[in-house]
Amino acid sequence: QKEVEQNSGPLSVPEGAIASLNCTYSDRGSQSFFWYRQYSGKSPELIMFIYSNGDKEDGRFTAQLNKASQYVSLLIRDSQPSDSATYLCAVLTSGGSYIPTFGRGTSLIVHP
Amino acid sequence: DTEVTQTPKHLVMGMTNKKSLKCEQHMGHRAMYWYKQKAKKPPELMFVYSYEKLSINESVPSRFSPECPNSSLLNLHLHALQPEDSALYLCASSQEGQGSEPQHFGDGTRLSIL
Repeated sequence: QKEVEQNSGPLSVPEGAIASLNCTYSDRGSQSFFWYRQYSGKSPELIMFIYSNGDKEDGRFTAQLNKASQYVSLLIRDSQPSDSATYLCAVLTSGGSYIPTFGRGTSLIVHP
Repeated sequence: DTEVTQTPKHLVMGMTNKKSLKCEQHMGHRAMYWYKQKAKKPPELMFVYSYEKLSINESVPSRFSPECPNSSLLNLHLHALQPEDSALYLCASSQEGQGSEPQHFGDGTRLSIL
């Protein structure tokens, strides 16, 4: 059973702070990791993906992957109220059906 | 706006109605997916089409019937739905569905069953 765990939150941070969202996964064969942002009532929007250990930066977003610890995180620098959303972690294991397993999502609230 | 287009955006139907949800993508992707999402839950996979062939059916009731007329289009035919089928229905696509590529989601259809 492949599991992807996220703290459901809400995670509340002040505007301008760094928001840190975490995700752990159970399948050591996992190779691809995705972060989606989903506003209430809207569809998931891909914001980051990472395949290799280490950090990947894109604007205010940084994805961090540690395969040894089976841990992937998303950092949002200079958080804005518009970042308030649910963040879904999705993990894909090659060699299987290539269908991502989604975590339950973390609700982020950025307050002014 | 996304590159995966779903219509209609909202649908209200009775339990005896027949309706269809439509999804279109022009990214040249060869894998397309239907998901169902309830409030405060992650997307739940229903069907996967790979190269226009149904490759995964996650034990979805027969009142949901998928169709893939060509590589750009995906339909979901609905018949005799139940109130618990009310949800956000999401279509997604990915390059081939056999590698590490991410899925891209449409805006979804909000379905309400009376």
